[in-house]
This record gives sequence, structure tokens and C-alpha cells, in this order.
Amino acid sequence: DTGVSQNPRHKITKRGQNVTFRCDPISEHNRLYWYRQTLGQGPEFLTYFQNEAQLEKSRLLSDRFSAERPKGSFSTLEIQRTEQGDSAMYLCASSLGWTSYNEQFFGPGTRLTVL
Amino acid sequence: AQSVTQPDIHITVSEGASLELRCNYSYGATPYLFWYVQSPGQGLQLLLKYFSGDTLVQGIKGFEAEFKRSQSSFNLRKPSVHWSDAAEYFCAATLGGSQGNLIFGKGTKLSVKP
Repeated sequence: DTGVSQNPRHKITKRGQNVTFRCDPISEHNRLYWYRQTLGQGPEFLTYFQNEAQLEKSRLLSDRFSAERPKGSFSTLEIQRTEQGDSAMYLCASSLGWTSYNEQFFGPGTRLTVL
Repeated sequence: AQSVTQPDIHITVSEGASLELRCNYSYGATPYLFWYVQSPGQGLQLLLKYFSGDTLVQGIKGFEAEFKRSQSSFNLRKPSVHWSDAAEYFCAATLGGSQGNLIFGKGTKLSVKP
């Protein structure tokens, strides 16, 4: 049984560079969520997909952020022109069902450091 | 605005002692409520959840939580803490329906003294 996996686990980049993270959800899970977690805070919602459709985006998701889930399986989160304020842990979660109260299973996260 | 508040940033308890972590929510309606635990290097793991019905819910690892509508609270408890319970605990809520996401509190870090 494989859970949610995220790659890379750590990413260090220079300000202004683009980065892309990947999330592989639990097989058959139709919902996929992205959250961001900064030090001393709880996870903050960024966006979610129902299969391949992106249904909701937080106002935290600026124009520099884009997420895709092209075939309703894995998802990518890209940050363009990174800023130091983007340094955070990016968490992916998946769930089976049609509502947000179905249990979300979280991956270990990708820690981004922007120098 | 919808919010989840965990008043305690850090709590230290002795091994074998009881534990209560506080969580308050502010929503227009009663949300669905969750407690998650996050250990270093691990993903968030669901401990328990409350949807409706019995206000005392049992979870994994010996945890339980009590929903109190009058206090807008959903406090997590454990009668006897083990050293392996040291971690960060997050309370979360959602209205479900068209709302796609969980709203998390800022977390409470639990330290366990031997």
C-alpha cells in the first residue's frame, strides 16, 4: 500500500528561478489538494482538483503559481520567478469522495528554500 | 471569517499524565471537525473526526475528542501520554459541500517529559 508521495522532498533555489513539484496521490483517489505550511503555522489551502478539473483556488495562489492534474492522476505545482516569501513546506493530500469532509491523506511534503 | 483557533502553541506534559489540547472554531454553521498529528518528517495523519451524533469521538492511538456546540470547541484528550505522542497537533474544520478545503489551526506542539 503506497500513500501519497511527493517529489522532490527538498528544493533549494535562487530567487527568480522557476520550480516544479510533483504529487502522486493514492491510486483511485479522485480529489487532490495542495497546501502550504510555513514555520509555526498550520497548513493553508492553495487549490484542489476533482479528477482533472481544478475547482477552487485560494487567493494565496498568486499568478506566479500554477497547478495541473492533466489526467486526473498525478499533479504538479509550479512556482515561477520564486521569491523568498515562497519558502515553505508544500503539502499534497488526496481523498476519495466528492466532499471536503472525506479523509484527506497527506504526503510528506516538499520543503522549498528560496535564497 | 471562518477560523480555527488553537490557543496553546506549546504544551509539555510528563509521560503517563493526561493531556488536553484545545481547539475553538468560528463558523456560521457547525463545521465538520478533525484532529491531525504531524511528526517530524512525516505527513499529517488523521487522529479522529466529528460529523454529527455522539459528541465524544474516539480516534486512533488512544485519543478522543469532545465536541461542545455551546463553546464552539473540539478539544482533544488522552488519559495517559506516551513519549511517542510528542508531535505537533492540528485541529481543522470544513463546511463540506461546495467548500473544497480544510481550514487548520496554527497547531500545538506537544513535548513529553520522561
